[in-house]
Parts: sequence; structure tokens; C-alpha cells
Amino acid sequence: DTAVSQTPKYLVTQMGNDKSIKCEQNLGHDTMYWYKQDSKKFLKIMFSYNNKELIINETVPNRFSPKSPDKAHLNLHINSLELGDSAVYFCASSAGEKWSYNEQFFGPGTRLTVL
Amino acid sequence: KNQVEQSPQSLIILEGKNCTLQCNYTVSPFSNLRWYKQDTGRGPVSLTIMTFSENTKSNGRYTATLDADTKQSSLHITASQLSDSASYICVVSARGPGDDYKLSFGAGTTVTVRA
Repeated sequence: DTAVSQTPKYLVTQMGNDKSIKCEQNLGHDTMYWYKQDSKKFLKIMFSYNNKELIINETVPNRFSPKSPDKAHLNLHINSLELGDSAVYFCASSAGEKWSYNEQFFGPGTRLTVL
Repeated sequence: KNQVEQSPQSLIILEGKNCTLQCNYTVSPFSNLRWYKQDTGRGPVSLTIMTFSENTKSNGRYTATLDADTKQSSLHITASQLSDSASYICVVSARGPGDDYKLSFGAGTTVTVRA
């Protein structure tokens, strides 16, 4: 299936731990994103990469570090997890460089719970 | 204050009925506006995207309208079905200097369709 996939789907961990979420897209898209959706269902963009280069970096704590080994992958590493990091994290991708206009395809989300 | 306000926050409708969701924004300068549908536990899926010059766009039983002068958009669902139960998110893009864009997300309207 052509899609945006994320692993794991659920992640439960203790405060202070370091964890990673992986994202892969096989749509041939050039641009990938990470979003955070809080308990109030508010979506906020965190990062965007175009052809492995960072193009958007919203005000996100530097405990969050995206890594793009190639344009089909954008992984999110989180250091020293805090309770407030609990949320659903969505990966997305879109074609071309005009990311603002092109349709974004979202992954199924990773529900992160920090205890 | 959020630059994209959606109303109502939630609504319940009977199967077969129509409903209209509202999105008001203050984002400027406007680039485009899109509506997403997010099923529970899934990632958002794009329904429509409209630029400044487009007043209306349809996707099956979903029809979006845009009034760029009053900075308002609506999403009309015709002959609702149980599968329309979801959260509907309005996203507005503003164009910055050069090719810099910024996305602003509404909090979403939760629609529940009852048999």
C-alpha cells in the first residue's frame, strides 16, 4: 500500500526517558512534516523537511530533534521526555516544494503517553 | 487568540440531514485554505483546498465556500451519513517573505451523525 506509515502506534514511557518515532512514506514526496496534536485536538506543526533539508522549525524545545536519513524518512527523537510531551504525533508528506499548497498526506499517528 | 476560529465546537445531526461548519480567520496575507476530515484515531485527510480566487469547491457531498474579503469559509455536508462522524479541521496558509509560508490550524468541529 502506498502511504505514510509511523511506528510505533502507541508509546508509553517514563518521564526522563529518550524515545524515537519513525516515519516513512512511499509516495515519492519531497517534503515531510511532524505535527503534534494535544488533548484538545489542536494540530501544531513542529518541523518540515524538504529533500532532507529542514525548512520549518517552529518553536519546539530542543529536546525534539528530527532526523531525515533520506527523503522518504523523517524520524523524531525526543530526549528527556516530560509529562507535557504526551500527545498524538502525526507524520505527513506532500509533493514538491510548494508545501503550503500541495495536499498533505498524514500517517496514522503515534500516541505518546509519558508517565 | 488563535488566528483560525471554528464553530460550532461540536454538533450532532441525524443521518440524512445537512449541516454547515464555519471557519473565520485573521491570517494575512492569505495564501490558501483547506478543510481536513479526521476520523477518531486516524490522521487527517484533505477534503478541499482553495486559493484566493476560488469561491467554492466540492468533494462529493462536501462543499467548501470561501469569502476572502470577509475572511470566512464554510464546509457544507449534504445528506449526512454515519461515516461523516469525525472532526473537521480548517487550516489557513499565510504567505510570508520569499517563499516562506505559515500554517494556522483551527481547533476543529466534531460532528456526530446519529441514525
